[in-house]
Amino acid sequence: AQSVTQPDIHITVSEGASLELRCNYSYGATPYLFWYVQSPGQGLQLLLKYFSGDTLVQGIKGFEAEFKRSQSSFNLRKPSVHWSDAAEYFCAVGANGNQFYFGTGTSLTVIP
Amino acid sequence: DTEVTQTPKHLVMGMTNKKSLKCEQHMGHRAMYWYKQKAKKPPELMFVYSYEKLSINESVPSRFSPECPNSSLLNLHLHALQPEDSALYLCASSQDWGQIGNTIYFGEGSWLTVV
Repeated sequence: AQSVTQPDIHITVSEGASLELRCNYSYGATPYLFWYVQSPGQGLQLLLKYFSGDTLVQGIKGFEAEFKRSQSSFNLRKPSVHWSDAAEYFCAVGANGNQFYFGTGTSLTVIP
Repeated sequence: DTEVTQTPKHLVMGMTNKKSLKCEQHMGHRAMYWYKQKAKKPPELMFVYSYEKLSINESVPSRFSPECPNSSLLNLHLHALQPEDSALYLCASSQDWGQIGNTIYFGEGSWLTVV
């Protein structure tokens, strides 16, 4: 069965520090992978997506993610975190075009 | 900026009230969705409309009634809700349903409180 795991429920980083949020998936075929961000009181905003090709994907707001098939991972990174990045981050897997699985989310706190 | 617009942003309703949530998209997408999201949890799929026809109903109680008047609009009619139905209701859309590589775009959500 398809699933998405975000091992870190909550992460705290200092402003200006680098960030990596982990995402592992379980899917038999080539997955379509997404990262969404949800700021407090807001809807979900698409940060980036991976369908095929270059395994390093650039997104909005300075985020990038790397697809590693051997590790079934799609980790999100940012070299320098800003206070406005504090939010909930969801990894998601799309399968067969009509199934969409969200991870449980990682809550990011940014301290000055 | 999201191109999926939801109204109202906040709604408080009694358990005997009838209200509606509205959603609009102008991206030419043919699939539209309703999700329910509780605090600190991922969104849960409720309904999917594809080409204005209901394709998926995830065993949602009948007190939630979706409607798709046209390809740009999606409503969620609410009646006799329970306090546990209080949540953020997210509308979303995608180019198509059942297509490989489907990307879902979300609105800002409607915060519903049932008293």
